[in-house]
Amino acid sequence: GDSVTQMEGPVTLSEEAFLTINCTYTATGYPSLFWYVQYPGEGLQLLLKATKADDKGSNKGFEATYRKETTSFHLEKGSVQVSDSAVYFCALRGGSYIPTFGRGTSLIVHP
Amino acid sequence: KAGVTQTPRYLIKTRGQQVTLSCSPISGHRSVSWYQQTPGQGLQFLFEYFSETQRNKGNFPGRFSGRQFSNSRSEMNVSTLELGDSALYLCASTDAGTGEETQYFGPGTRLLVL
Repeated sequence: GDSVTQMEGPVTLSEEAFLTINCTYTATGYPSLFWYVQYPGEGLQLLLKATKADDKGSNKGFEATYRKETTSFHLEKGSVQVSDSAVYFCALRGGSYIPTFGRGTSLIVHP
Repeated sequence: KAGVTQTPRYLIKTRGQQVTLSCSPISGHRSVSWYQQTPGQGLQFLFEYFSETQRNKGNFPGRFSGRQFSNSRSEMNVSTLELGDSALYLCASTDAGTGEETQYFGPGTRLLVL
């Protein structure tokens, strides 16, 4: 079945540092890929998405590129802020139409 | 548009009881999905309803059930509660009729089973 693997956290960074959160997936066909963010006490919010190979999703300074050859969708941001502290989830929606989420990666940004 | 709303936000029950959670999707969205989120298992898909019909189902026992009403509001029910059912239950709606895949999540209902 479909699966998503994310790097384990927590990821701890200083403000203005570069962020990468790795995400790889296994799926049949051509899934759509998503990054969601969850702030404490809240539900998940869509951060960005990509629906086909080589597409780049971007939002609020975050970017991720759909790499079919490496089955990856790594999340990056050039300069993180304290307000980016949250849990980030990589997800896919493939041919089964059942969304599959990674375990989540906690990001902690220190001033 | 108003976002996805879930009620109640917090709930405490004892083993063996049953519980019903409610979800109101974004206006116009006809697909509602339910998830269980726990520290140990992460986010796990329970089921999806579209136009009052269950369209997809995850790997949960029959104690977990749901339904959707004609106004797209959805409820999920857990019978004979177990300690392991303690979790954050998230609901998400999608404008599935347009082929859109983005899910919009509610804040969740935190269930504690004692």
